[in-house]
Amino acid sequence: NAGVTQTPKFRVLKTGQSMTLLCAQDMNHEYMYWYRQDPGMGLRLIHYSVGEGTTAKGEVPDGYNVSRLKKQNFLLGLESAAPSQTSVYFCASSYSGLNQPQHFGDGTRLSIL
Amino acid sequence: AQRVTQPEKLLSVFKGAPVELKCNYSYSGSPELFWYVQYSRQRLQLLLRHISRESIKGFTADLNKGETSFHLKKPFAQEEDSAMYYCALYNFNKFYFGSGTKLNVKP
Repeated sequence: NAGVTQTPKFRVLKTGQSMTLLCAQDMNHEYMYWYRQDPGMGLRLIHYSVGEGTTAKGEVPDGYNVSRLKKQNFLLGLESAAPSQTSVYFCASSYSGLNQPQHFGDGTRLSIL
Repeated sequence: AQRVTQPEKLLSVFKGAPVELKCNYSYSGSPELFWYVQYSRQRLQLLLRHISRESIKGFTADLNKGETSFHLKKPFAQEEDSAMYYCALYNFNKFYFGSGTKLNVKP
């Protein structure tokens, strides 16, 4: 049982490049989330989705876009990467709601040069 | 605004000693509080939440609304408790993590 799978695990980009991070879950969860974690800080919510076809902004949404075309997948896009987006990105999912147990992926380490 | 504060980055205790990981929050209303844990080479996972009022792996946490705290306690630490612990808060579709405390239990 894979749970939450994030692709890729590592990536290095140049400023201005675009990329998409993929999150897939096999638990039939309704809610999915994208967080970023910077050194010395806790995880901060970027965007989340309460179901297929829906997305909502979290605490730090600027510079990111998301899509939830299929229930099991949640994509995080960076249209024009900036050095300030260098971070570790975590995807999570829960059966229903942010206040329910969230199941996390392994994280994606992204560096923007 | 810092909503969840974990004042200790690192806490080292000996096996068998009591442990308390501190968490303070600043938020109006009635938030829900959680503790998440990440063991070495494992994923971040929920340890416990205040509304469940349960003990998990010997850990308990009491929500003190007067002091706005949600400290995590265990009377006798074990080496397998060594991990990164994050306090978290939920209120009105907002979710905030603290910066985490690394617990090191020495033999």
